[in-house]
Amino acid sequence: TQLLEQSPQFLSIQEGENLTVYCNSSSVFSSLQWYRQEPGEGPVLLVTVVTGGEVKKLKRLTFQFGDARKDSSLHITAAQTGDTGLYLCAGRRNAGNMLTFGGGTRLMVKP
Amino acid sequence: NAGVTQTPKFQVLKTGQSMTLQCAQDMNHNSMYWYRQDPGMGLRLIYYSASEGTTDKGEVPNGYNVSRLNKREFSLRLESAAPSQTSVYFCASSFWDRVYSNQPQHFGDGTRLSIL
Repeated sequence: TQLLEQSPQFLSIQEGENLTVYCNSSSVFSSLQWYRQEPGEGPVLLVTVVTGGEVKKLKRLTFQFGDARKDSSLHITAAQTGDTGLYLCAGRRNAGNMLTFGGGTRLMVKP
Repeated sequence: NAGVTQTPKFQVLKTGQSMTLQCAQDMNHNSMYWYRQDPGMGLRLIYYSASEGTTDKGEVPNGYNVSRLNKREFSLRLESAAPSQTSVYFCASSFWDRVYSNQPQHFGDGTRLSIL
């Protein structure tokens, strides 16, 4: 059982559709980060959320940190083929040096 | 802009062989990390080094050793490779301290390791 559970594991949608990816835990995190990974490359940071209830927007991507800092969501509006990739959430506990990663959501956006 | 450089990119080993994965960063980061990535498991931390001269175990350290050679370089060694260690290995670096604890980790492009 992973500390951070992501759902769904796989998502295949048409261009223009909206989608939401979830990252859930029973543990409290001091902060949570979302990364995107493309084939053959390492993950790249998209956003960091720190405050419970915080909402951050990055163009068509909206990130939310749960009020209790145990969960987070990523919503993509009007998905594009360029959004295709593996989305990973990663939590930091007690402002420590280690990140705990979720299992990832593999998104495919078809033209 | 090199960032984090990992070598080799691909490697095939036989069970019982040893090898060292190399990682170097040019961003003057104090912390470095080794992860393995398996399908559906995300990234799991093997070892990390909070600063030059220190190393600590992560979630899955068994079967691995690390060396923080200097501030730039952090190597991962498999002493006696096993098929269960077939994976993609990522090295990452970041600046971390108690005040700036939310800095991003910067990743290399990974080493794809197969053990037969």
